[in-house]
Amino acid sequence: QVQLVQSGSELKKPGASVKVSCKASAYTFTNYAIHWVRQAPGQGLEWMGWINTNTGNPTYAQGFTGRFVFSLDSSVSTAHLQISSLKAEDTAIYYCARGEYCSTTTCFASSLEYWGQGTLVTVSS
Amino acid sequence: DIQMTQSPSSLSASVGDRVTITCRASQDINNYLAWFQQKPGKAPKSLIYSASTLQSGVPSRFSGSGSGTDFTLTISSLQPEDFGTYYCQHYHSFPRTFGQGTNLEIK
Repeated sequence: QVQLVQSGSELKKPGASVKVSCKASAYTFTNYAIHWVRQAPGQGLEWMGWINTNTGNPTYAQGFTGRFVFSLDSSVSTAHLQISSLKAEDTAIYYCARGEYCSTTTCFASSLEYWGQGTLVTVSS
Repeated sequence: DIQMTQSPSSLSASVGDRVTITCRASQDINNYLAWFQQKPGKAPKSLIYSASTLQSGVPSRFSGSGSGTDFTLTISSLQPEDFGTYYCQHYHSFPRTFGQGTNLEIK
């Protein structure tokens, strides 16, 4: 069955960087986009952006440009989220989720059917 | 950007009740609308896509309807395990915004 397994919780100091991984299994990784979603403590879901796993092209939502980077290691079916210059307000659970099917030329919009278990990133001095 | 507005923000209902949650988009999104259920400490679970299609394994007491800008999620007979927070999300265009969530409590 399709699974997305994320890396474990992280405790970082302000100004540091963190890299969250999302390993996919039981499907062809490069056929489906990966989306990233943030959930701050006690808050709702916030869409951060997505990466086309076919082309490697990332798209970032407003508010997630500059310090946030989506990347891939397709050889091991893994997507990464890197956050640099961490701030206390980056403390949140970060989820990856499988999105649309993408061919070499186009993507077909779809909902987020499969989700990772989430990775808690805590930023504290 | 398309804004998604859910109502109510919270509700309390009894087992067996019929529960309806609404989601309104700020512009026409056709039927590019999904619903998710999230329980405390867990990842969101996909319930419905294309506004009205149940994901495999989702109980038939859940249903979705609507098109354009107005959508509803209905639980026909509330069960104890249905507590949690429900979110809508559009996937018509980018950014793919979520509603603010509806916290459902069982009386």
